[in-house]
Amino acid sequence: AQTVTQSQPEMSVQEAETVTLSCTYDTSENNYYLFWYKQPPSRQMILVIRQEAYKQQNATENRFSVNFQKAAKSFSLKISDSQLGDTAMYFCAFMKHNNDMRFGAGTRLTVKP
Amino acid sequence: GAVVSQHPSWVICKSGTSVKIECRSLDFQATTMFWYRQFPKQSLMLMATSNEGSKATYEQGVEKDKFLINHASLTLSTLTVTSAHPEDSSFYICSARIGTHSYQETQYFGPGTRLLVL
Repeated sequence: AQTVTQSQPEMSVQEAETVTLSCTYDTSENNYYLFWYKQPPSRQMILVIRQEAYKQQNATENRFSVNFQKAAKSFSLKISDSQLGDTAMYFCAFMKHNNDMRFGAGTRLTVKP
Repeated sequence: GAVVSQHPSWVICKSGTSVKIECRSLDFQATTMFWYRQFPKQSLMLMATSNEGSKATYEQGVEKDKFLINHASLTLSTLTVTSAHPEDSSFYICSARIGTHSYQETQYFGPGTRLLVL
């Protein structure tokens, strides 16, 4: 079974600074996808970034980027130039091809003015 | 694109009644949808996988007679909580999987339904 571990229950960062959220996972699969989702107080799950395991290049989406280390089974999210609107729960997720999604426990990020 | 809706967003009901929650993919077809349950300050727990035209697959520990899932079309899945009790109170979220090719495959989530059983 696949497991996803987020070891940081809570983090905080000053506005405009950079923060990195950690995620590790365990799988014997070779073809899979990794995701970071944001859940603000509205509780709507919002896709932040997506990575295919077969791609060596790290995904980036504007201020969000990942550090994907396949051998180490590590998938961290870096948020640059943090904004107050980035305050939310962040979930790391793993999905095998054509299968369901498994989530980590989440990291509560607070951006301070 | 890739918008998923859920209805209702809030429901309060009496113990013993049944509640139906709808999940719709608005701008794409989804052969597979998923239903999750989320308790306060916790992660999402997968309840079941809903496949269009076939029976849902339930996770271990989820009562299929309690949580009825129907995926009658490529854009609609419903979750019915039968004979609801206070312990069924929770936040229910659906998602729809888009893309069958590896470069597309992603899940998009509905806004969730808050269920309170009195």
